Amino acid sequence: EIVMTQSPATLSVSPGERATLSCRASQSVSSNLAWYQQRPGLAPRLLIYGASTRATGIPARFSGSGSATEFTLTISSLQSEDFAVYYCQQYNNWPRITFGQGTRLQIK
Amino acid sequence: QVQLVESGGGVVKPGRSLRLSCAASGFTFSSYAMHWVRQTPGKGLEWVAVISYDGNNKYYADSVKGRFTISRDNSKSALYLQMNSLRAEDTAVYYCARDPYYYDSTYYFDYWGQGTLVTVSS
Repeated sequence: EIVMTQSPATLSVSPGERATLSCRASQSVSSNLAWYQQRPGLAPRLLIYGASTRATGIPARFSGSGSATEFTLTISSLQSEDFAVYYCQQYNNWPRITFGQGTRLQIK
Repeated sequence: QVQLVESGGGVVKPGRSLRLSCAASGFTFSSYAMHWVRQTPGKGLEWVAVISYDGNNKYYADSVKGRFTISRDNSKSALYLQMNSLRAEDTAVYYCARDPYYYDSTYYFDYWGQGTLVTVSS
């Protein structure tokens, strides 16, 4: 099983500032990496797939980068609605896909 | 707009069965693979099962293989998860989720339902 490790577990950032979230895979997943946002009480929402492609309707302030084992989600200027939990997911090793444990982005 | 609405969750005793349903609308259901994904506070998000667009191919997580069965009825735009021999560790919110590609499976998810809570407890 490919283990996905996200860091930090909690990130405190002020509105308007940049947030950088990391995701590391225990072995290469190529670019088969997705990011999701989950607000309290809601289902996850797809942000990024293919490591760097924004999903339909996702604002340009969200960007993804990386390949193989190291990935980053950057939110360029945090809005109030961006404070949530973020998950990465690898889908290279299907059907044994795995998620990271999540990074909680909170207001500083 | 795409909508996925799960139902069928509840409290069930260990060893018993439960059947979850997911009603889909707003897209051509019969063209997309569909998944079940569950979430617990302790283990986070865990993929459970996938079924191909035509129902001919199914895969399961090792943790549920032999106990859970995924199925679909394209005439009703409905997805199902039959859960047998339930265990305490199956307690979770269960989401149905759409695979984004026509007639294929990529194993990431572009639309999710709101989830249904399954609690396995004596």
